[in-house]
Amino acid sequence: SQELEQSPQSLIVQEGKNLTINCTSSKTLYGLYWYKQKYGEGLIFLMMLQKGGEEKSHEKITAKLDEKKQQSSLHITASQPSHAGIYLCGADIFGTGTASKLTFGTGTRLQVTL
Amino acid sequence: NAGVTQTPKFRVLKTGQSMTLLCAQDMNHEYMYWYRQDPGMGLRLIHYSVGEGTTAKGEVPDGYNVSRLKKQNFLLGLESAAPSQTSVYFCASSYSWRGGYQETQYFGPGTRLLVL
Repeated sequence: SQELEQSPQSLIVQEGKNLTINCTSSKTLYGLYWYKQKYGEGLIFLMMLQKGGEEKSHEKITAKLDEKKQQSSLHITASQPSHAGIYLCGADIFGTGTASKLTFGTGTRLQVTL
Repeated sequence: NAGVTQTPKFRVLKTGQSMTLLCAQDMNHEYMYWYRQDPGMGLRLIHYSVGEGTTAKGEVPDGYNVSRLKKQNFLLGLESAAPSQTSVYFCASSYSWRGGYQETQYFGPGTRLLVL
């Protein structure tokens, strides 16, 4: 079974619409990373969360960490074609205190239509 | 500063052939990793290294070998390729304990491998 589940698996939204991607863990989340992947490219680091209730934003992307639910959400406001790609969450579920041993979710594929 | 680079970008192999994937990083990172990415499976760790001359098994090490003779390079070898090894392979690197969670893993662009 997958220790980190992402939902939805894929998403098609119209440009300008808001969307949310979830990453849920079956174990305690000590540190949570969000990455974005474009076809043919590696993973680009977006944001890192480590404390329950923490929320970070960068441009139109906001990530939150709900410690009680062992879940993180990634919210995109007013989506643009440049937001298209695969979003992956990676987490430290072993309590290493570093990014050295990350477990990854299966990814959410986002398409943004005009 | 090139970050993490991978060679080759794409390769087609026949079953039983061997090959080596090269990963190089110029950030002086201690840790390096090899992952494979398959549909519906996410990223799975194959092998990793915590320093020059050291390697360790990850989640799916069977059929692969690795070497880290130099700090900046991490090689992934397939001795006898099988169709089940068709995948996208990613290399990553990071600092060790320094900076805690502030130090993320940095990824290369990936190598697409098709084994016929």
